[in-house]
Amino acid sequence: DIQMTQSPSTLSASVGDRVTITCRASQSISSWLAWYQQKPGKAPKLLIYKASSLESGVPSRFSGSGSGTEFTLTISSLQPDDFATYYCQQYNSYSGETFGQGTKVEIK
Amino acid sequence: QVTLKESGPVLVKPTETLTLTCTVSGFSLSNARMGVSWIRQPPGKALEWLAHIFSNDEKSYSTSLKSRLTISKDTSKSQVVLTMTNMDPVDTATYYCARIRYHGFPFDIWGQGTMVTVSS
Repeated sequence: DIQMTQSPSTLSASVGDRVTITCRASQSISSWLAWYQQKPGKAPKLLIYKASSLESGVPSRFSGSGSGTEFTLTISSLQPDDFATYYCQQYNSYSGETFGQGTKVEIK
Repeated sequence: QVTLKESGPVLVKPTETLTLTCTVSGFSLSNARMGVSWIRQPPGKALEWLAHIFSNDEKSYSTSLKSRLTISKDTSKSQVVLTMTNMDPVDTATYYCARIRYHGFPFDIWGQGTMVTVSS
């Protein structure tokens, strides 16, 4: 199975900060990577698919990059609504998908 | 408007079989290349993919849970059903269903989730 490792696990930041979260795959997944945002008590929300494509309706301050085994999610200017937990997910394998362990973005 | 809604028992006993139903609206389970997945999340922990099924009835399961899971669909009822046998307290989690827009796409629309507790 493909393993996904996110870093950091927790990130403290202030409104207006540029924030970057990293996700590493245990083997190449090409660009088959998605990012989700989850708020407490809510279902995850798709932000980015195919590593760098912005899902419809998602603010342009969110961006994704990378391919192969290393990927990043960047929030260009952190907004109050962005404090949440972020998950990466690989969907390369027809045999299944895997999530990272999550990165919690907290208020500094 | 596309929606998915999970339903099932709130509480199950250890060793029992869990049956969860995902009822979808706004799209058809027979739409070409479209699929539905089940994902779970134990309290305070990460998301874990469980299984998916596509419109052509192609199915896939988590390697670690494959022996305990069965996924099926009833297109006429717009429902996807997941059964998990031999439930254990570690299976306590919120269970979500989510749509796969097409093969090679992640989960674009999620249900609200249903919390299942395993306890005697």
